[in-house]
Amino acid sequence: QVQLVQSGSELKKPGASVKVSCKPSGYTFSTYAMNWVRQAPGQGLEWMGWINTNTGNPTYAQGFTGRFVFSLDTSVNTTYMHISNLRAEDTAVYYCARDIGWGPGDYWGQGTLVTVSS
Amino acid sequence: EIVMTQSPGTLSVSPGERVTLSCRASQSVTSNLAWYQQKPGQAPRLLIHGASTRATGIPARFSGSGYGTEFTLTISSLQSEDCAVYYCQQCQKWPYTFGQGSRLEIK
Repeated sequence: QVQLVQSGSELKKPGASVKVSCKPSGYTFSTYAMNWVRQAPGQGLEWMGWINTNTGNPTYAQGFTGRFVFSLDTSVNTTYMHISNLRAEDTAVYYCARDIGWGPGDYWGQGTLVTVSS
Repeated sequence: EIVMTQSPGTLSVSPGERVTLSCRASQSVTSNLAWYQQKPGQAPRLLIHGASTRATGIPARFSGSGYGTEFTLTISSLQSEDCAVYYCQQCQKWPYTFGQGSRLEIK
């Protein structure tokens, strides 16, 4: 069955960097794009962007350009979301979600909590 | 960007009752609208895509309707396990924005 497994929780200091991984299984990796979604504590869902798992080309929502980078490692069928120069307001749960083909996420990772605190 | 507005913010309903949640888009998204259910501590779960198509494994009591700017998610007979926050998302135009969510409580 389809599963998306994300890396574990992270506690980082302001100014540091973090890399969250998302490893899908149960389907051909390059067949479906991957979305990334953020959820701040007690808040709603925010679409960050997506990455084409065939070409590696990322698309970022406004507000997620510059410090946020989506990438792939096709040798291990894994997608990554890297945040540099972390700020307290980056504290959130980050989800990867397989794109059904036209935007919606049909399978989701379990979420990765990133906490930024001094 | 397209702004999605959901109503009501919170709804308290008794088991067995019919529930209707609304989602309005600031401009037309044609039928590119999805609904998700999120329970505490869990990832969102896709319920409906294409405004009215149930995702795999979703019970028939969940249905979606609408086109353009006005959409509805209906639960025909509320079950206790339906206690959750429900989000709509437009997938017409980047960024694929979400509504702020509707919290459904069981009386």
